[in-house]
Amino acid sequence: DTGVSQNPRHKITKRGQNVTFRCDPISEHNRLYWYRQTLGQGPEFLTYFQNEAQLEKSRLLSDRFSAERPKGSFSTLEIQRTEQGDSAMYLCASSFVGGTEAFFGQGTRLTVV
Amino acid sequence: AQTVTQSQPEMSVQEAETVTLSCTYDTSESNYYLFWYKQPPSRQMILVIRQEAYKQQNATENRFSVNFQKAAKSFSLKISDSQLGDTAMYFCAWSYTGANSKLTFGKGITLSVRP
Repeated sequence: DTGVSQNPRHKITKRGQNVTFRCDPISEHNRLYWYRQTLGQGPEFLTYFQNEAQLEKSRLLSDRFSAERPKGSFSTLEIQRTEQGDSAMYLCASSFVGGTEAFFGQGTRLTVV
Repeated sequence: AQTVTQSQPEMSVQEAETVTLSCTYDTSESNYYLFWYKQPPSRQMILVIRQEAYKQQNATENRFSVNFQKAAKSFSLKISDSQLGDTAMYFCAWSYTGANSKLTFGKGITLSVRP
């Protein structure tokens, strides 16, 4: 499968716990994006990487959130001390530098109880 | 900051008919792209159609076409010969043509195609 893969697809966690999501982009793509989508809203940009460098972070990305992309391959998004407001779909997308089409994964749905 | 507005939350269309989804945007940039993305239930978002702002000609992809009015900052999507598989959420999105091509999305519209 050459598409963008995200794991897990669903995650239920208790408030205050830490969670980590993984994204495997299309292998040739050097850009990787994270978005958050809440119910009834469009996706909102969180952060993006070019290769292993994190080049921009949204104000939505509080200090409880951290993202990494070691070696410019897969990426992880960690949320520490989860809150109910973190419940959302977390989407990953990848593209070429200069590419105009972003390819999305199926997302990880996080529910904080 | 860029904004994308989709004011219609839901639309319904009969199979084989034509439907138009509306989108307006606001930006001070002169070089940008506009997109329509489709998000079927429980499936990943896929690109439907893309328009470069510098191109006057409206983009077309098979049954999908856009009406791009740059001065009015309007970007509507027309779906002809609607099919049941077109049932999905549709998002209008904007991106800059510069180094960071992150997408700014509208709230989306739920389109239902009735058999």
